Amino acid sequence: DADVTQTPRNRITKTGKRIMLECSQTKGHDRMYWYRQDPGLGLRLIYYSFDVKDINKGEISDGYSVSRQAQAKFSLSLESAIPNQTALYFCATSVSSGRVDEQFFGPGTRLTVL
Amino acid sequence: QKEVEQDPGPLSVPEGAIVSLNCTYSNSAFQYFMWYRQYSRKGPELLMYTYSSGNKEDGRFTAQVDKSSKYISLFIRDSQPSDSATYLCAMIKAAGNKLTFGGGTRVLVKP
Repeated sequence: DADVTQTPRNRITKTGKRIMLECSQTKGHDRMYWYRQDPGLGLRLIYYSFDVKDINKGEISDGYSVSRQAQAKFSLSLESAIPNQTALYFCATSVSSGRVDEQFFGPGTRLTVL
Repeated sequence: QKEVEQDPGPLSVPEGAIVSLNCTYSNSAFQYFMWYRQYSRKGPELLMYTYSSGNKEDGRFTAQVDKSSKYISLFIRDSQPSDSATYLCAMIKAAGNKLTFGGGTRVLVKP
């Protein structure tokens, strides 16, 4: 079984719709992240959470919101989807340590906004 | 200007060749440098990370960091078709901080 799962894997939606992407992990990690990936731009951080009561904006949080429902669950919402939010979305987890965190990525959600 | 620049490729090499990948960066505050590999339709996975300048070797993979030039490299020796993937560099200013990614280089190793 995958340690970091994302649902749905693919989603096509229309402009203006509200949608939610979900992430679950069985790794027992305290830190969770949402990224989007666009061709040539690498991964850009949308939001991150270091524990259940901690939510932080990343570099491109406008138009997105998140909810950390439990240590194992971190969901990303697009309040009113627009076409330039068409991208590949990844959830990642890591565990806090005194060294560099290794981030473990889910398989991604391909989102298309028409 | 992006903080981390990476040639998107694609880089096509014959099996057995050495693959040479690199990234340049603009912020001298970066201290930890990583390479992720991403297969098609998969999430990235960490290959290696290095701290500050120097070399690090792991099997067929060698990572180099030259902080004076703000330049990092990844070399893959004896490349295999299974090495065909997108390789992303990433860096952090301090432990616990956020990753900054390059755009990724697509590599194709032909049998």
